[in-house]
Amino acid sequence: GNSVTQMEGPVTLSEEAFLTINCTYTATGYPSLFWYVQYPGEGLQLLLKATKADDKGSNKGFEATYRKETTSFHLEKGSVQVSDSAVYFCALRDGSNDYKLSFGAGTTVTVRA
Amino acid sequence: GAVVSQHPSRVICKSGTSVKIECRSLDFQATTMFWYRQFPKQSLMLMATSNEGSKATYEQGVEKDKFLINHASLTLSTLTVTSAHPEDSSFYICSATREGGSGELFFGEGSRLTVL
Repeated sequence: GNSVTQMEGPVTLSEEAFLTINCTYTATGYPSLFWYVQYPGEGLQLLLKATKADDKGSNKGFEATYRKETTSFHLEKGSVQVSDSAVYFCALRDGSNDYKLSFGAGTTVTVRA
Repeated sequence: GAVVSQHPSRVICKSGTSVKIECRSLDFQATTMFWYRQFPKQSLMLMATSNEGSKATYEQGVEKDKFLINHASLTLSTLTVTSAHPEDSSFYICSATREGGSGELFFGEGSRLTVL
């Protein structure tokens, strides 16, 4: 079956630090990969996505590259801000099912000024 | 952007009672709504998929008689936890796809259920 494993948190950083959250996956087909972000008191929001190998998703300074050879989709940001404090979820969607998502456990990131 | 709202955000109930959680799409019509459950420090687990006007499709291991899902309109789905027990305490999250949209999921804020 499909599964997603992401780096355990919590992660605490200073402003302008470099952030990496590791994510690896197991899938039977050719999945699409996603990063969702949940800010305090809000619902999950799509941060970025990649639909095929070697695609790079990017948004708000965050990037993640779909690496089929290592089955990974690590999230990176070069210089974080306090406003990036949130819970980040890695997820995959099996190509055979349009809507079902398999999520990682989430990583809580706190950025200090 | 598309907004999905859940109500209540927090609910505490006594063991044996039933609790209803609402999920509304505020500015779009939702073809399909999904209900997830999240345990502390664990991933979101899909419980069921509901399409407007039809019966929900439950994931393996989810008791359909315990978690009643109704999707009576294109903007509202409800999850009723019947005869709740402490082990049902969890964070319940809904999401929806927009009718005629790209398939992107829009998530509610979640509802924290505590059963005493």
